[in-house]
Amino acid sequence: GAGVSQTPSNKVTEKGKYVELRCDPISGHTALYWYRQSLGQGPEFLIYFQGTGAADDSGLPNDRFFAVRPEGSVSTLKIQRTERGDSAVYLCASSPGRSSYNEQFFGPGTRLTVL
Amino acid sequence: EDQVTQSPEALRLQEGESSSLNCSYTVSGLRGLFWYRQDPGKGPEFLFTLYSAGEEKEKERLKATLTKKESFLHITAPKPEDSATYLCAVSGGSEKLVFGKGTKLTVNP
Repeated sequence: GAGVSQTPSNKVTEKGKYVELRCDPISGHTALYWYRQSLGQGPEFLIYFQGTGAADDSGLPNDRFFAVRPEGSVSTLKIQRTERGDSAVYLCASSPGRSSYNEQFFGPGTRLTVL
Repeated sequence: EDQVTQSPEALRLQEGESSSLNCSYTVSGLRGLFWYRQDPGKGPEFLFTLYSAGEEKEKERLKATLTKKESFLHITAPKPEDSATYLCAVSGGSEKLVFGKGTKLTVNP
């Protein structure tokens, strides 16, 4: 079956611009996660959705970052006034339910470059 | 705060030379320890979940083990296609995964 998909695969933008990153989870998965991975580091948690609601957004670095999942399926990560330090690979993952015990399945990521 | 430390940072092996990767962790109430494989330019690919000390799981040339403080990923007779970065993560009192920095494995033919 289809895995997690993310678009675009690459995004280059200028400092100060607004960007949107999209994630399509595995069909039927209720839990969705966003992580950020910098070069040479492991993924770092940003936000977790259970259904349509953000159950844990403690990893969002500041109020320039926002994510939505209006219908409980596709999610969009939104970054306002981008900074060079936002450059990283943004990973999305989904899980069948509460993931404390269940594995998360990752998409290929969106590589964001802020010039 | 949950923490994961992986060692070594990088490992070079000859084809057929078995070895182990280490993942040390501190977590309040372990719910699961996860191993992932990540190839360059790709997202992490799930390998194993371990839930309690003493548990072991195997898949082809890989075997993962778990104690109360650490996990090992044993690689038996590796092949060049096993070259990748191996990530360890833990799930504790919240839904998020906390990852280590990974071990970059290179297997030379």
